[in-house]
Amino acid sequence: NAGVTQTPKFRVLKTGQSMTLLCAQDMNHEYMYWYRQDPGMGLRLIHYSVGEGTTAKGEVPDGYNVSRLKKQNFLLGLESAAPSQTSVYFCASSYRRGNTEAFFGQGTRLTVV
Amino acid sequence: DQQVKQNSPSLSVQEGRISILNCDYTNSMFDYFLWYKKYPAEGPTFLISISSIKDKNEDGRFTVFLNKSAKHLSLHIVPSQPGDSAVYFCAGDQKTSYDKVIFGPGTSLSVIP
Repeated sequence: NAGVTQTPKFRVLKTGQSMTLLCAQDMNHEYMYWYRQDPGMGLRLIHYSVGEGTTAKGEVPDGYNVSRLKKQNFLLGLESAAPSQTSVYFCASSYRRGNTEAFFGQGTRLTVV
Repeated sequence: DQQVKQNSPSLSVQEGRISILNCDYTNSMFDYFLWYKKYPAEGPTFLISISSIKDKNEDGRFTVFLNKSAKHLSLHIVPSQPGDSAVYFCAGDQKTSYDKVIFGPGTSLSVIP
C-alpha cells in the first residue's frame, strides 16, 4: 500500500531557482493538501484542493502555486525560491473534510541557499 | 496569534507510567480536535480525535479529554511504551471553513525504558 508518496525527499535550491514537488495518492481521495512545517510553528496549510481541477489558498500561500490536473496528483510549485521557503513540506490527502483522518506523505526537506 | 497551543515542547516519561500531553486553543468554532503522531523522517499519522460535543474519547491506551469551558484538551497515554516516543501534534478542525485545520507546534515525547 503506497498511500501518499512525495517526490523528491530532499532538495537544495539556489535563491531564484524554481522547482515542483509532486504528491501522488492511490486512495481515491477527493481532498489533498500541502503543508509546511517549521520549528515551533506546527504544520501550516499552503494550498489545498477539494477535487480534480480545483485549488484554493490556505494559510500561507504566497510564493507557491499548485495544480490538480488529475485526481491522484497534487503539484506544488515554487517559481522563484527564497531562503524563507526553507522548510519541510508535507502533502496529505483525505476522503472528506471534517473529523476524518488525513494521510500524510513522508515529507520533502527543501533548503534554499 | 496561535489558535492552537502546545506549551510543552518536550516531555519525558518512564516506561509504564502515564504520559499527559496538553493542548490549549482560542478558536471556539472548532468542531473537532485531532491528535497526530510523528516519527522522525516520516509524515504525521492520525492517532485519535474528539468531537467538540464530547468530553472524552478512548481508544486502547489513548484517551483524549476535552474541557470546552477552559478551551483545553489533553491526550493521556497509559501505559507509556518506548514506541510512543514521537512528536505529538494537536489540531483543531472547523468544518465550515476548509482551511481551518490548525495545528499546534507539537510536543516531543520521550518514553524512557
